[in-house]
Amino acid sequence: AQRVTQPEKLLSVFKGAPVELKCNYSYSGSPELFWYVQYSRQRLQLLLRHISRESIKGFTADLNKGETSFHLKKPFAQEEDSAMYYCALTPNTGGFKTIFGAGTRLFVKA
Amino acid sequence: DTGVSQDPRHKITKRGQNVTFRCDPISEHNRLYWYRQTLGQGPEFLTYFQNEAQLEKSRLLSDRFSAERPKGSFSTLEIQRTEQGDSAMYLCASSLEKTGQYFGPGTRLTVL
Repeated sequence: AQRVTQPEKLLSVFKGAPVELKCNYSYSGSPELFWYVQYSRQRLQLLLRHISRESIKGFTADLNKGETSFHLKKPFAQEEDSAMYYCALTPNTGGFKTIFGAGTRLFVKA
Repeated sequence: DTGVSQDPRHKITKRGQNVTFRCDPISEHNRLYWYRQTLGQGPEFLTYFQNEAQLEKSRLLSDRFSAERPKGSFSTLEIQRTEQGDSAMYLCASSLEKTGQYFGPGTRLTVL
């Protein structure tokens, strides 16, 4: 079954500390992986996608097909990074259903 | 074009009533998605349109739910004979190919 797992509901770090939000997926084919972010009182927005291989707001994510993971990382967390983060999977072929994880709330303390 | 819009933003209804939500995607986007989100969960896929064709529908979507996208522009999601379990945030998103989805602000439904 297709599944996206974000094992941490809440992650709390100090400003300037490294942060890693975990995402593991279960999918039989070759998926596209995304990270979405929702800041307080704002709509859900795309943060980055794995095929872009880009860094957005200092965040990067590497797709590890062997471990079926797509963890989101930032070397130095900022207070403005506090938000809800969702990992999502879209099939590359054979369907259009996007599956989201339950989300991880990141809290960056001053 | 200021992004994906949804109307209404909030809807309170009594159990058994029908409700309809509207989504206006970004104008050049051919793909449109509907999701449902409850507290503590990520968005749950409901259905997908490519232009005016509804190409995928979640098995979780009961017969009380129907969605349309006439002329491949705006979309509507109707829930008939609402139940308390339908209370949730209903999200719409649009995209071009698989570029990542742009979400609307959502419609919060409360069924009393």
